[in-house]
Amino acid sequence: DTGVSQDPRHKITKRGQNVTFRCDPISEHNRLYWYRQTLGQGPEFLTYFQNEAQLEKSRLLSDRFSAERPKGSFSTLEIQRTEQGDSAMYLCASSYSVDEQFFGPGTRLTVL
Amino acid sequence: ILNVEQSPQSLHVQEGDSTNFTCSFPSSNFYALHWYRWETAKSPEALFVMTLNGDEKKKGRISATLNTKEGYSYLYIKGSQPEDSATYLCAFLTAGNMLTFGGGTRLMVKP
Repeated sequence: DTGVSQDPRHKITKRGQNVTFRCDPISEHNRLYWYRQTLGQGPEFLTYFQNEAQLEKSRLLSDRFSAERPKGSFSTLEIQRTEQGDSAMYLCASSYSVDEQFFGPGTRLTVL
Repeated sequence: ILNVEQSPQSLHVQEGDSTNFTCSFPSSNFYALHWYRWETAKSPEALFVMTLNGDEKKKGRISATLNTKEGYSYLYIKGSQPEDSATYLCAFLTAGNMLTFGGGTRLMVKP
């Protein structure tokens, strides 16, 4: 399967711990996006990369959130000092241009 | 902050019924409107990318229309089937290449 993959699919952590999620986009896609989805809401944009450049990060929810895409391929999203309010589904998507974005299955984070 | 609204929030229909949902979005600075289907435990799947006022797109029993001047799009499903049960999301594309999603319409089709 050459779709977008995310790892892990589920993460349970204790408040205050750091977590890191990985996204592997479709190989020929140069754009990569991170979204967060909470219950009953649509996905909320967090950040976006074109190749290795992070072109938009103003929507990251706080300075506890950071993302990288060091070689323009896979990306990581890190949340430091997790809080219960960080519990959500974290989605990654990739695209070749401004056309449709292809989504991964998401990482569901539960902060106890 | 952009406001993308979807209605209804949820919908229960019988197999064979036709149905439609609404997405409303800002009518200024329009770039594109995306429709996605999101089945439980799966990835959101792109249905349509609509860019031109008056666009009508169709994929099987699902079709969509776009009115950029008044800021709305309709998604239609003809002859709903249980496998159509999913959350249908619309998203407005901004100049910064960000998608702003509506809250979704959750469709449940009863056999």
